[in-house]
Amino acid sequence: GAGVSQSPSNKVTEKGKDVELRCDPISGHTALYWYRQSLGQGLEFLIYFQGNSAPDKSGLPSDRFSAERTGGSVSTLTIQRTQQEDSAVYLCASLSGRAVNEQFFGPGTRLTVL
Amino acid sequence: KQEVTQIPAALSVPEGENLVLNCSFTDSAIYNLQWFRQDPGKGLTSLLLIQSSQREQTSGRLNASLDKSSGRSTLYIAASQPGDSATYLCAVLNYGQNFVFGPGTRLSVLP
Repeated sequence: GAGVSQSPSNKVTEKGKDVELRCDPISGHTALYWYRQSLGQGLEFLIYFQGNSAPDKSGLPSDRFSAERTGGSVSTLTIQRTQQEDSAVYLCASLSGRAVNEQFFGPGTRLTVL
Repeated sequence: KQEVTQIPAALSVPEGENLVLNCSFTDSAIYNLQWFRQDPGKGLTSLLLIQSSQREQTSGRLNASLDKSSGRSTLYIAASQPGDSATYLCAVLNYGQNFVFGPGTRLSVLP
């Protein structure tokens, strides 16, 4: 596709359930980032993938959060045993690389935990 | 640890005014700086990217400057329009390949 896509656009779940959020980066982009944006807050870095290197997981808030990137393309962010404080917009961005390193963002997934 | 701040937090101006948004960062060892706009309930749209070796970039009515040594960037919007109303975020890319975002400036342009 022409841009970064994310699915679902909205997800409502019950406390304690697991959720999976998907990100399709721009084709050819080697780097992928996940961020979280809570209501009225700035962007919080979660995890970063670069090529085949081990991901930078330093931003994950707890061990309930995990992410993987298959085949260097699509990424899935998984939140286990969701809590109400996990409610936020989850944004994915891919990086153009080639010495420019410009980020392109997807539209986000709005997660609501009841 | 890199910290990014933006001033003002919110700004309301009448249509047609020129305005300046400010972004400051504490560590000048950055790879680049990127300005974004975010409309309510939407993702981020890239506006301008300034490499560390550059001093400014222009796109239409937007001009972004970078003074790396003083840790500052400004986004200048000329002849503002109601459609410019959004939250504007700056982000710096550190050499460790992690981005740090400012909290944003919420802009309202009144018709």
